[in-house]
Amino acid sequence: GAGVSQSPSNKVTEKGKDVELRCDPISGHTALYWYRQRLGQGLEFLIYFQGNSAPDKSGLPSDRFSAERTGESVSTLTIQRTQQEDSAVYLCASSPQINYGYTFGSGTRLTVV
Amino acid sequence: KQEVTQIPAALSVPEGENLVLNCSFTDSAIYNLQWFRQDPGKGLTSLLLIQSSQREQTSGRLNASLDKSSGRSTLYIAASQPGDSATYLCAVPSDSWGKFQFGAGTQVVVTP
Repeated sequence: GAGVSQSPSNKVTEKGKDVELRCDPISGHTALYWYRQRLGQGLEFLIYFQGNSAPDKSGLPSDRFSAERTGESVSTLTIQRTQQEDSAVYLCASSPQINYGYTFGSGTRLTVV
Repeated sequence: KQEVTQIPAALSVPEGENLVLNCSFTDSAIYNLQWFRQDPGKGLTSLLLIQSSQREQTSGRLNASLDKSSGRSTLYIAASQPGDSATYLCAVPSDSWGKFQFGAGTQVVVTP
């Protein structure tokens, strides 16, 4: 596609429910990154994928968070048993190759009530 | 560990003035540096990407310089407009795989 697409744009969920966030990168971009931005805070790295290499999961805050990506296509970020502290904007970015700069999607605003 | 600092944290100027935003980083062994703009409640829009071999990049009223040896980059915005009001973020790779470390941003307000 023309840009990085994220869905849903907004998600309100009850505490304890699972949520799944989707990122569709720019076609041909081998690298895909997930970041989290809490209200008034900076960007916090979560996970990144590069081609078929093992993902770098070093930023995932707990085992409630997981992400998948098949090849160089869509990625899903799953948060299990959501907590209020998970409320944030989740941003996805893709890059044609490593060290080539990012293009971000518009983000998913997650609110846990 | 790469650390990125942006000064000032906030800036308010009248329309027409030039803006100077600073970014410093601790590890000078970077492949590139990228400047972004973020509007409230929105994602990040890429403004300029400077490769390590470059000293500056220009796009319209925007000019970004890079001094790797001193660990600094400066974003200049000429003849500011109210539409330039946003938060500006700089980012540098924190590892050899291109994972970016972001600064906390400079919040800019341009008053008419």
